[in-house]
Amino acid sequence: AQRVTQPEKLLSVFKGAPVELKCNYSYSGSPELFWYVQYSRQRLQLLLRHISRESIKGFTADLNKGETSFHLKKPFAQEEDSAMYYCALLSGGYNKLIFGAGTRLAVHP
Amino acid sequence: ETGVTQTPRHLVMGMTNKKSLKCEQHLGHNAMYWYKQSAKKPLELMFVYNFKEQTENNSVPSRFSPECPNSSHLFLHLHTLQPEDSALYLCASSQRSGRVTGELFFGEGSRLTVL
Repeated sequence: AQRVTQPEKLLSVFKGAPVELKCNYSYSGSPELFWYVQYSRQRLQLLLRHISRESIKGFTADLNKGETSFHLKKPFAQEEDSAMYYCALLSGGYNKLIFGAGTRLAVHP
Repeated sequence: ETGVTQTPRHLVMGMTNKKSLKCEQHLGHNAMYWYKQSAKKPLELMFVYNFKEQTENNSVPSRFSPECPNSSHLFLHLHTLQPEDSALYLCASSQRSGRVTGELFFGEGSRLTVL
């Protein structure tokens, strides 16, 4: 079965601390994974995709096929990073995404 | 207006009512989606339309009836709903030609409360 698991509902850190939002997936083929973000009072939007190997707003995510993980990391959290983060798995031949339950990141001053 | 627009933003209805949610996108996309977001549950894909054709029905009860008259508009018709159908209903769109990008553009959602 195709599934995305985000084990933490809430991650609370202080400004300047490192952040790691966990994501594990279950998929039989070659996975394509994404992180979406929803800031307060804003709509859900794409943050980054694993195939781009990019750093967006200081965030990076590496696909680890051995551990079936796609954790989102940032070395130094900022208050403006506070948001809901969703990990998503591409399923099927079109843009069908399976989302995890989300993790709320709270960055305190 | 640009982007994905959903109306109404809030809807309260009784179990015997019939109402509709509307989604409109001004991005030139040709795939549109309905997702359901309930408290404490992951986003659930409900329906997918590509070039106005329904390509996915994720075992959604028949009390939810989608309609896609053209690539820019998507409706979700609601009738005889249950209180457990109360949720945030999100519409999204994406490009559907050639390369799959995994990028969906979401609306702000319609918050539905069924009494």
